[in-house]
Amino acid sequence: ETGVTQTPRHLVMGMTNKKSLKCEQHLGHNAMYWYKQSAKKPLELMFVYNFKEQTENNSVPSRFSPECPNSSHLFLHLHTLQPEDSALYLCASSQDMSGGTDTQYFGPGTRLTVL
Amino acid sequence: GQNIDQPTEMTATEGAIVQINCTYQTSGFNGLFWYQQHAGEAPTFLSYNVLDGLEEKGRFSSFLSRSKGYSYLLLKELQMKDSASYLCAAMDSNYQLIWGAGTKLIIKP
Repeated sequence: ETGVTQTPRHLVMGMTNKKSLKCEQHLGHNAMYWYKQSAKKPLELMFVYNFKEQTENNSVPSRFSPECPNSSHLFLHLHTLQPEDSALYLCASSQDMSGGTDTQYFGPGTRLTVL
Repeated sequence: GQNIDQPTEMTATEGAIVQINCTYQTSGFNGLFWYQQHAGEAPTFLSYNVLDGLEEKGRFSSFLSRSKGYSYLLLKELQMKDSASYLCAAMDSNYQLIWGAGTKLIIKP
């Protein structure tokens, strides 16, 4: 138990569906991250929020839309996804982004399958 | 460009020692992290090195050479529960983590 929770743990959706992934951290951290993890590939950073402000958007397609209403919660809204978007989506948090000792703590991930 | 290289898969025997290597190229450097990830679970933090040398934590040790862009994770007295993927990540000048694809470690009895 890392103090970062994600729901749902598994999600199957069609290409025309709209769904949302939720992440919550109970660590009092100020930075939150969305990553995509595909088999045998490095973790891909998608979005970063620091003190609720989006600081990074790594050329992610607009069919992924993040939302950070407060520093404890992070959402990833999904619509009109493609089968190649099937992957494990990981949320992480860290104290902030000011130092090299800023360890990221991960949630268990949402296994997404797009049909 | 920024890049992390680590072996795809390694096999070792229970009770033995294994060393997982990682080489990195980043724009600036603010430290090197190792994470462990069991199948279907979250990556969990193992170690952080920013200065050259060896850091020891129980059965696990991590080494860094900044001049060579090289790190390794050393696992001693291997146990079956150490079967997992080990992720190497370097922090660049923007404090973002650049990740390797992970090394799957298989432990045999």
